Amino acid sequence: GQNIDQPTEMTATEGAIVQINCTYQTSGFNGLFWYQQHAGEAPTFLSYNVLDGLEEKGRFSSFLSRSKGYSYLLLKELQMKDSASYLCAPMDSNYQLIWGAGTKLIIKP
Amino acid sequence: GAVVSQHPSRVICKSGTSVKIECRSLDFQATTMFWYRQFPKKSLMLMATSNEGSKATYEQGVEKDKFLINHASLTLSTLTVTSAHPEDSSFYICSARESDRASAEAFFGQGTRLTVV
Repeated sequence: GQNIDQPTEMTATEGAIVQINCTYQTSGFNGLFWYQQHAGEAPTFLSYNVLDGLEEKGRFSSFLSRSKGYSYLLLKELQMKDSASYLCAPMDSNYQLIWGAGTKLIIKP
Repeated sequence: GAVVSQHPSRVICKSGTSVKIECRSLDFQATTMFWYRQFPKKSLMLMATSNEGSKATYEQGVEKDKFLINHASLTLSTLTVTSAHPEDSSFYICSARESDRASAEAFFGQGTRLTVV
């Protein structure tokens, strides 16, 4: 079956760095997306990885290892507005996004 | 980026009535749109894939007669919750991708908070 595993909740301090891990098992693979979702709002796109390695985009970076079925999202210089849920979503062989339950990130001053 | 507009953002209805939710791609054409349902603190659950000009493809366990989907044009898909019950209360979100490329991100509507009383 298809499965996504990421921590339910994480806490970090403003200005610090946090890494949110995601492991996945899918039927085929066509890349992996990370989305940010604030409470009560729709998800917004953060990143897409299809090749192994690190993709950096400002304060956010995303890493992928296809052989390990593993990805992480790295957030630097955390700000209070980064408090949100972060959704890991690999795309299977049918180009369908498989959604994890998300990691709720709490930022403390 | 592309914009997907969903309306209404909030709706309260009485049990037994029907509610229609609209999803529009504002600056691109979407042959395929996706309808999701999300329970509090839970993942997005794909309900159905809406295909322009043909019948929607429903996920297992989703009642097609209860959740009517119509994709009348390349920019509009609608979800109608028929004979709504309190257990249908949820957050419904639509999304569309600008192209079929694997790297094409999914753009989401603002979501609709449905409360059935």
